[in-house]
Amino acid sequence: DMKVTQMPRYLIKRMGENVLLECGQDMSHETMYWYRQDPGLGLQLIYISYDVDSNSEGDIPKGYRVSRKKREHFSLILDSAKTNQTSVYFCASSLSIGTASAETLYFGSGTRLTVL
Amino acid sequence: GDSVTQTEGQVALSEEDFLTIHCNYSASGYPALFWYVQYPGEGPQFLFRASRDKEKGSSRGFEATYDKGTTSFHLRKASVQESDSAVYYCALGGGFASALTFGSGTKVIPCLP
Repeated sequence: DMKVTQMPRYLIKRMGENVLLECGQDMSHETMYWYRQDPGLGLQLIYISYDVDSNSEGDIPKGYRVSRKKREHFSLILDSAKTNQTSVYFCASSLSIGTASAETLYFGSGTRLTVL
Repeated sequence: GDSVTQTEGQVALSEEDFLTIHCNYSASGYPALFWYVQYPGEGPQFLFRASRDKEKGSSRGFEATYDKGTTSFHLRKASVQESDSAVYYCALGGGFASALTFGSGTKVIPCLP
């Protein structure tokens, strides 16, 4: 069963705390993504990973970093979270970027992060 | 840079009404165009795509036609149902080494007639 799993589903943190969002996929997809979703803004790309240790900034990378040490795992890290990072975060995966198949993204169910 | 515009943030309509969600894009070249749907509590999921002028994509009763002349890819459904309650995203393919660019989304709210 093709699946992208995100943990946790809900998270509440205080401003200045570190945050780790985890994502796993069981499809052996090379490419993985982190998006954030805000009302009226849709889905904004934070980072893209082409494979293990091959990551690239998206449109809004400031305040975030990522880690990909295994093909099936992609983590999003917020060092010293800020209140404006309150959002819903989605992880996605796809086949190799640069191919038509890469444009079919498989999304997880999201993590709702609240920073107080 | 490339961009996608969805003018309706929300569409409320009666069940069995005809649904249109507008999507216009700005991009160089010949990008692929997509529709994704997001049901409550879930992540977005692929609906269908089109990659050349006049090509029609369709799935689950929804359809859209790639129109390079008007740079549009409007989503249509002849008879909307309660189960179509979701947020619909238009997206633009970034080509080699680039991720999809999504529009701001349109929430569809079907109401009893």
